[in-house]
Amino acid sequence: DSGVTQTPKHLITATGQRVTLRCSPRSGDLSVYWYQQSLDQGLQFLIHYYNGEERAKGNILERFSAQQFPDLHSELNLSSLELGDSALYFCASSAGLAGGLRDTQYFGPGTRLTVL
Amino acid sequence: AQKITQTQPGMFVQEKEAVTLDCTYDTSDPSYGLFWYKQPSSGEMIFLIYQGSYDQQNATEGRYSLNFQKARKSANLVISASQLGDSAMYFCAMREVLSGGSYIPTFGRGTSLIVHP
Repeated sequence: DSGVTQTPKHLITATGQRVTLRCSPRSGDLSVYWYQQSLDQGLQFLIHYYNGEERAKGNILERFSAQQFPDLHSELNLSSLELGDSALYFCASSAGLAGGLRDTQYFGPGTRLTVL
Repeated sequence: AQKITQTQPGMFVQEKEAVTLDCTYDTSDPSYGLFWYKQPSSGEMIFLIYQGSYDQQNATEGRYSLNFQKARKSANLVISASQLGDSAMYFCAMREVLSGGSYIPTFGRGTSLIVHP
C-alpha cells in the first residue's frame, strides 16, 4: 500500500458525460500528479500540482481539468467524455516540488474509467 | 520523439535466473533522474529503483540493480534470482527538471516479464 488513495476504483459512464476522480496523497506529500494509462498511448503524464498550485502540464486535453485543494487532495475533472477517454487514471504523490531529482512518486491504485 | 525506449515488449525468464530489461533514453539535459516501476496484473505502479545522472555508482535495491551507462544513454534494470512474483509489466521513466524546479516525467511503453517455474 503506497498510502495514496483514489476514488472511485471503477467508473462506468456514457459519452458526453462529466466525471470527477479524486486523489488523496500520502500524508505530508505536497505534490500530486495525474496520469492516464491506455493501451494505445501508454502511460501519459497529465498535470502536476504542488501545494495547490499548478506546476506542469503534459498531454492534458482541454476537456480535462484538475485542482488541488487546501487539504492537498486533488480532483481530476473529465468532461464531454469520448470513447477514447476510457483508460486507467493514476494519481501519484511525492514529498516536494522536485526534491532534487530523487523525489520519488508513489502511485495510487488507479481509477478505471469506462466510457460507453 | 521518443524520450524513453523499451525495445523488449515481452521477456521470459526461468525462476531463480537473472534477467535484464533494456531502457534507453534521450535528453540533452545534464541533470536528470531515471526510475523503474513495476506494474503487476493488479494494476498498481510500484517504485523499484532510482538512478541520478550524477550518481557515480549504479543503484541497487535488494534484487534490483540498475546498469547505468551514461555515454550510451542506457539504464537497464537487472533482476537477480527471479521469482514468480516478479511477473509484471516494468516501466522505465525519466525526469528532467524544468526551470522553476518542476518537471515532466516521461515513461516508456513497458516490458512484460513472465517468470516460468
